[in-house]
Order: sequence, then C-alpha cells, then structure tokens
Amino acid sequence: EPEVTQTPSHQVTQMGQEVILRCVPISNHLYFYWYRQILGQKVEFLVSFYNNEISEKSEIFDDQFSVERPDGSNFTLKIRSTKLEDSAMYFCASLGGQRNGELFFGEGSRLTVL
Amino acid sequence: KQEVTQIPAALSVPEGENLVLNCSFTDSAIYNLQWFRQDPGKGLTSLLLIQSSQREQTSGRLNASLDKSSGRSTLYIAASQPGDSATYLCAVKGKDSSYKLIFGSGTRLLVRP
Repeated sequence: EPEVTQTPSHQVTQMGQEVILRCVPISNHLYFYWYRQILGQKVEFLVSFYNNEISEKSEIFDDQFSVERPDGSNFTLKIRSTKLEDSAMYFCASLGGQRNGELFFGEGSRLTVL
Repeated sequence: KQEVTQIPAALSVPEGENLVLNCSFTDSAIYNLQWFRQDPGKGLTSLLLIQSSQREQTSGRLNASLDKSSGRSTLYIAASQPGDSATYLCAVKGKDSSYKLIFGSGTRLLVRP
C-alpha cells in the first residue's frame, strides 16, 4: 500500500542550527502538508503546498520556516535557526486529486532542540 | 474559528466491550471529518473519512457517524481488543477554502485484556 515516508525519524540539534526534514509523499498526490505536534498537545497545521507554491500557512509558519519540492518526489521542511520551542514531532501528509479527499500522514520526524 | 473537542480524554475498558468516542466541532460548515489512530510516538493512521453529505462510514469493527447540524461525530468500536489501545483523533476540514485539518486533542483508549 502506498505510504508517506519521512526522514530522519529523530533529529537532535543545537539551538540556532538549521534543520531540514524530508518527506516523500504518495506518488501522484498533488497536495502536500506539514503539521506538527508538540508533546502532549494537539496536532497543528503548519503549511500546505500545491502546484509548487504555498497554498496556505499558519501563524506558526514564520520566516524561519520554508518548504520546497526540489524534485518530483521529495517535499522538505527547513527550519533556518531552530529554537527550543521548535521541539516537536513533525508530520508530512499528502492528498490526492480532490481537496476534500483523505489525508495520509507519514510516521513523523521527532525534532529535539537543545 | 473552528474548535474541535473530544470527550472523554481517556477511556479504559475491558476487552470485548463496545465503546463510543465523541468528537464535537463548533462550525458546522465542513467539507469532511476524518478519524485517525495514533500509537505512542508514531504517526497518524487514517481510519475513516466522512464527507459532509454522508451520515456514516464503516470499516470492519469501526463505524463513524456524522451529524453536521449539531456539530458532532462519534466513532463506534465494536468488540474492542487490546490491540485497539491507542489515541484516537478526529479532524475536520472547513468549507472556507482552507486546505487544513483542525484536530481535536484525542481520546486515549486502553483496552484491558
């Protein structure tokens, strides 16, 4: 069964360092997302990406964050200068051709900022 | 602003019981509602998707209902098993041309052998 894959599964970094989280969405999906979940809190929307541009972003997604689809398969989330409060589980998700369809999530990348 | 609430926050039942998890949302103008399962430290597994025009969806021992007008959805789990132990999340997608899902905080389920 097709799945969304994410790497790394866990990354530990020092405050102020740049981090890139990688995702391979389900092939032939058109909409891509990043969500995050701080420990013990709700899953929160960060950004959606369609047709090679950001469709929507939340207040959390400030200038320190960026997304990119550098080739036909990968979808990346970059945090330019990490802060302690960026420590969370980051989930990538993808959606097929219909915007009201079923969203499929990856296993997540746990980011720990020290 | 859409708010999603799940009750109860935690539930412990003996194996074999039928159980109901509740999800409520404040804005009834939704495209769809999706139920997920999350195991500790893991990703989100989609269980059921209900479109706004539907009343319920079934998959195996799971049945999800949607009452859009009252802003409620329930997830019914029949004949619960220890392997059902996980956190169950509901999430809604709004009709305001938004691409995002709004999540509840989940119900943590423990099924005791």
